[in-house]
Amino acid sequence: AQSVTQPDIHITVSEGASLELRCNYSYGATPYLFWYVQSPGQGLQLLLKYFSGDTLVQGIKGFEAEFKRSQSSFNLRKPSVHWSDAAEYFCAVAPWAGSYQLTFGKGTKLSVIP
Amino acid sequence: SAVISQKPSRDICQRGTSLTIQCQVDSQVTMMFWYRQQPGQSLTLIATANQGSEATYESGFVIDKFPISRPNLTFSTLTVSNLSPEDSSIYLCSVQGSGTGGTEAFFGQGTRLTVV
Repeated sequence: AQSVTQPDIHITVSEGASLELRCNYSYGATPYLFWYVQSPGQGLQLLLKYFSGDTLVQGIKGFEAEFKRSQSSFNLRKPSVHWSDAAEYFCAVAPWAGSYQLTFGKGTKLSVIP
Repeated sequence: SAVISQKPSRDICQRGTSLTIQCQVDSQVTMMFWYRQQPGQSLTLIATANQGSEATYESGFVIDKFPISRPNLTFSTLTVSNLSPEDSSIYLCSVQGSGTGGTEAFFGQGTRLTVV
């Protein structure tokens, strides 16, 4: 069975600092990977996804993620964090490209210090 | 993109009662998904609801506890039955739709359920 691990429960960064949120997955075949953001009281919004091709994926709001098969990782990065980025971030995996039955990590809560 | 409306947004229920959550989508979709997000936990898929057929439940979830209806291609309900405090969670509806980067999953805002 597939699984997703987000090792960091809570991260605090200063506004303007760089950010990296970690995600490791366990899946026997080619994974289809996603990052979602959940702002307080809001539903989940897709930041980016990886299906195939270039392992560095660009998303919305200035986020990017890099797929590293050798490390089974799909870490999310942003070069300069804004206060509005404070939210909870979820990494997820799907068993195949057309499936949206997602397995989620436990999430990483991001706090931003002004 | 798909716009999903979930009702109610939150509710407080007595143990032993039931809560029915509605999910309305602004376009026709084949599959709708129901997730549970327990406090401090990840989202867990409860079931997949296809129009015209029985919902498919994930391991650990049963129809008697989480009956689902899917009367048409834009609407679904999830009922959480015989409530206990352990059912206190956020329940989210999700559909597959066309986004700016291709097909993606869209989520409703969730229903925050508190059982007292």
